[in-house]
This record gives sequence, structure tokens and C-alpha cells, in this order.
Amino acid sequence: GENVEQHPSTLSVQEGDSAVIKCTYSDSASNYFPWYKQELGKRPQLIIDIRSNVGEKKDQRIAVTLNKTAKHFSLHITETQPEDSAVYFCAASKVLTGGGNKLTFGTGTQLKVEL
Amino acid sequence: EPEVTQTPSHQVTQMGQEVILRCVPISNHLYFYWYRQILGQKVEFLVSFYNNEISEKSEIFDDQFSVERPDGSNFTLKIRSTKLEDSAMYFCASSGQRSYNEQFFGPGTRLTVL
Repeated sequence: GENVEQHPSTLSVQEGDSAVIKCTYSDSASNYFPWYKQELGKRPQLIIDIRSNVGEKKDQRIAVTLNKTAKHFSLHITETQPEDSAVYFCAASKVLTGGGNKLTFGTGTQLKVEL
Repeated sequence: EPEVTQTPSHQVTQMGQEVILRCVPISNHLYFYWYRQILGQKVEFLVSFYNNEISEKSEIFDDQFSVERPDGSNFTLKIRSTKLEDSAMYFCASSGQRSYNEQFFGPGTRLTVL
């Protein structure tokens, strides 16, 4: 089955700096790669996603890149703010024969933005 | 903006008891999922459900687990005989037909098995 590795497990940056989180996946059938932000005790919130036919996508301070050949994808947050502090999960998804899609999550990155 | 809702927010049960976790997916969504997250760990896929059938289940989803869509709005996860290791946060998610990849998560039910 799919295996998603995520690094680093913790990341501490100064406010205003950039943060980069990297993931790799194993199943070449995966075609959709979302990123979720999870604050303590809350639900995972989708913050950005990318499909396998696209190499890069940007939404304000957040960008995601995908290298299908290397099976790598990364989240980039610029101009970090204290409210960016949370756990970030990457995921890889493939379509299910019976309908819908299955998300396989990475192990998460605890991002701390310090003042 | 419509959201997935779940009840209860916290369930405490004794080992061996049955529990039913309830979810109301977003109303026009067609694909429904359950995931679990053991404290401090990653989110793990349990099961997906479409057209009144399970479309995929993980190795975690053994005979103790079942899902049901008893009416047009609810989606339930039943654990027949809970074990200590079932203690986790259980998230329901749903996705729509046009953008079926995007899964929207509910707030979760924290299950504590004593």
C-alpha cells in the first residue's frame, strides 16, 4: 500500500521567515496531494492541494510543489505568522475503484512560529 | 459554509461495550469516510463508503467495526466490542461528486475506552 514519509517532525522558525515541509510517497497511482493544518484538539483543515498534472500551486503565502518523477511534494509557507503554528500533515490520495478516494497521511510536522 | 458534524464530541466507555459514533456529512456529498487518530500520531484511514457500500477498508477495520447510512443524512461507525487500543479521535469526512478528492473533516469524536 501507499507509504507517505514527512520531514521534519518539528520545525521552529522566527516570525517572518519561511518554512518548508517535505513529503515523499511510494504509490505511483496516487494523483492528489492535499495538505492539512491541525490545531490542537481540532479537525484537520485543508489548506492547499495539488493534482498530479500540476507541478506547482500557490495561494497567497502558501505554495505546494510536486515532483512526480521523484515522488516528492513540499509545502512552502512564506512570511510566517504566529497563527501558522500548528501541526501540518501531508497526504497522498488515489482513486478507489468502488468510488471516492483514500487519503494516506504523513506523520505530521509541528510548526512553531516564534516572535 | 456547510460543515461535517459529529456526535458525541467525547465518548467514554468500558472495554467490551459497543459504541456508535455519528456523523452528518455535507448534504450534497456522496462519498463518506472514517479516519482515526491516536493521540499524538498521524491520521489513519479506516473505511470509505459510497452508494451504500464499503468501497475500501483498511486492515484496522476488522470485524468489530461496521458502518451504516441509516437514513439520508447520518453516517455511523459502530465498534461492537471496544478494546483499550480503540481509544482515539475518530474523524468522519465527506467529499462531493464534482470534486471528490477534497475531503472535509468533521470535528471528531474522542473515544476513551477504560
